Amino acid sequence: AQSVTQLDSQVPVFEEAPVELRCNYSSSVSVYLFWYVQYPNQGLQLLLKYLSGSTLVKGINGFEAEFNKSQTSFHLRKPSVHISDTAEYFCAVSEAGSYQLTFGKGTKLSVIP
Amino acid sequence: SAVISQKPSRDICQRGTSLTIQCQVDSQVTMMFWYRQQPGQSLTLIATANQGSEATYESGFVIDKFPISRPNLTFSTLTVSNMSPEDSSIYLCSVETSGKGPYEQYFGPGTRLTVT
Repeated sequence: AQSVTQLDSQVPVFEEAPVELRCNYSSSVSVYLFWYVQYPNQGLQLLLKYLSGSTLVKGINGFEAEFNKSQTSFHLRKPSVHISDTAEYFCAVSEAGSYQLTFGKGTKLSVIP
Repeated sequence: SAVISQKPSRDICQRGTSLTIQCQVDSQVTMMFWYRQQPGQSLTLIATANQGSEATYESGFVIDKFPISRPNLTFSTLTVSNMSPEDSSIYLCSVETSGKGPYEQYFGPGTRLTVT
């Protein structure tokens, strides 16, 4: 079975600074990878996804993530964060052929003015 | 993608009572899912609800506690029965729109439940 590890539970960063949120997964088969964002008191919104092809994936709001198969990682990055990026970010994985999503425990990003 | 709404958005309930949460989608979908997000935790899948068949429950979740209905391709309900304070969570429904791999899920806004 697959699993997802988000190494940082909380990440504080100053406004306009770059940020990286780390995600590692384990699986014995091919996977699809997702990042979701949850703003305060809201549901989950799909930020970006890796299904196949280019390992660098661009998403909404200026975020991007890179799939690294050898390191089994899918880290999320943004070169310059805004106050509005303050939210919780969840990495998720599904195995090829399966509809089931496995989520990491989430990383709370706090952008400091 | 899909537009998903949930009712109620939040509720405060007394222990021993039941609450039914509704999930409405703006398009027909085969797969719908119900998740629980306990305070400070990640999402845990409760069950998968496909139209025309019984819901499939994950380990640790049973039909008597979380009965699910799926009467058509755009609607589902989750009931949280005989509630206790441990049931205080956000309950989210999601849908899978492609109908085939790779599967992508889209989530509703969630129902924030507090049990006193």
